[in-house]
This record gives sequence, C-alpha cells and structure tokens, in this order.
Amino acid sequence: DQQVKQNSPSLSVQEGRISILNCDYTNSMFDYFLWYKKYPAEGPTFLISISSIKDKNEDGRFTVFLNKSAKHLSLHIVPSQPGDSAVYFCAASVSGNTPLVFGKGTRLSVIA
Amino acid sequence: DTGVSQDPRHKITKRGQNVTFRCDPISEHNRLYWYRQTLGQGPEFLTYFQNEAQLEKSRLLSDRFSAERPKGSFSTLEIQRTEQGDSAMYLCASSRQRGGRGIGNTIYFGEGSWLTVV
Repeated sequence: DQQVKQNSPSLSVQEGRISILNCDYTNSMFDYFLWYKKYPAEGPTFLISISSIKDKNEDGRFTVFLNKSAKHLSLHIVPSQPGDSAVYFCAASVSGNTPLVFGKGTRLSVIA
Repeated sequence: DTGVSQDPRHKITKRGQNVTFRCDPISEHNRLYWYRQTLGQGPEFLTYFQNEAQLEKSRLLSDRFSAERPKGSFSTLEIQRTEQGDSAMYLCASSRQRGGRGIGNTIYFGEGSWLTVV
C-alpha cells in the first residue's frame, strides 16, 4: 500500500509563476517530512523539510506547508525558474528515525 | 567532494551474473541506507545500517541480495544470480542520527548506480 502519495505525475508552470506540488500520506505516525528534487541520472537532492510541530517552513523560494488533520503537505516554489524543472519527491518518516518512505514523484516543467 | 560516493555509476551485466556496488557515506555519518528506484517510481527502501549493524531489511530484499557495512564505514550491496527485474538505479544515502530522535537529521543521497541486466 502506498503510504505516501503524489497524485499528480506531472505539472507545467510558466516561469515566474508559483508551482504547487502536493503530497498526501496515510500513516498517522509520520511526523517528519522532506522534499527532494531529482534530475535524470542523478540521486535525489534534499530541498526542505518540516516536522509535525510546525505547519510551515520556508527556505528562500521554497515553502512547505503541513496540514496534519488532512494528512497533506505541499511544496510551493515562488517564483518558478526553468532550472526548477525536475522530478520532486515527497518523503516521510517517524520521528526522523525510520527509513524514509517516498511518493512516486511529480515531474515539474517550468516553461520560459 | 565530501558527499555520498557510489561506485560503479553504471553496470551492464548478463543475467545470472553477480554484481557488487560500493557506497562511501559522508564522513561521520553513522547511518547508511540502500534504496532502489525504477522508472516512474519513487526510491524504495531496501535496507539500512547504524554503524556496522544492519537494523532493517525490506521484503524487497530477496535472498539474492546481501549488504554489508564492515567497520561501520563503507558499504557493499551484492546481487547474486541477477535477473532482468533487478535492472534499476541503486541509491545509497547516509545520515547522522543523534540519540533516539532524529528530527532534523537529513538523509543525503549519492549519485546512484545504474544496473542493467541483459
């Protein structure tokens, strides 16, 4: 069963606009969430994380929002740039102490 | 470069042959993870070590797969009698866990090792 779900396989956004990537989870024990970015033929690169004691975390153009009651998180990228085009993975763990469980990813294309 | 290092980056092998991948984690990271990724999927957990102890193995890790981390430094992942279904990217990652609670401990991935079984 898929404990972490990214229901949108792909997303296209114009350069300069906001990109919103969504992620849902089913395991209520998850309390630490991360977003990774992956280019073809490379390993995933860490972007940003959030623990369940917060509902928002910002780092530059990237903001992650967590809605625990809905078991939903989202990654906002503002403004989107062509270099942001990649596959984005949502991942979750329990207390940051268990192996990460990943979603299937969303391919973001930022069009100039 | 002090990131996670994997070798080889690419391996093509004939079905039935054995292959071994090596991973050198970030220095002083006590946890090391192996994941597998196939096209259209996210990374799938295989196994992980804390220092030299193998703490968990996924049911994805059949008895043809074995992983070791002697002395708690580098790790090897061996696949025996490879099958075409083993074709994937094998990802190694490491993290530094402090005590029992790992909030804030980020897992860093290597570039991956591509395996093609023909």
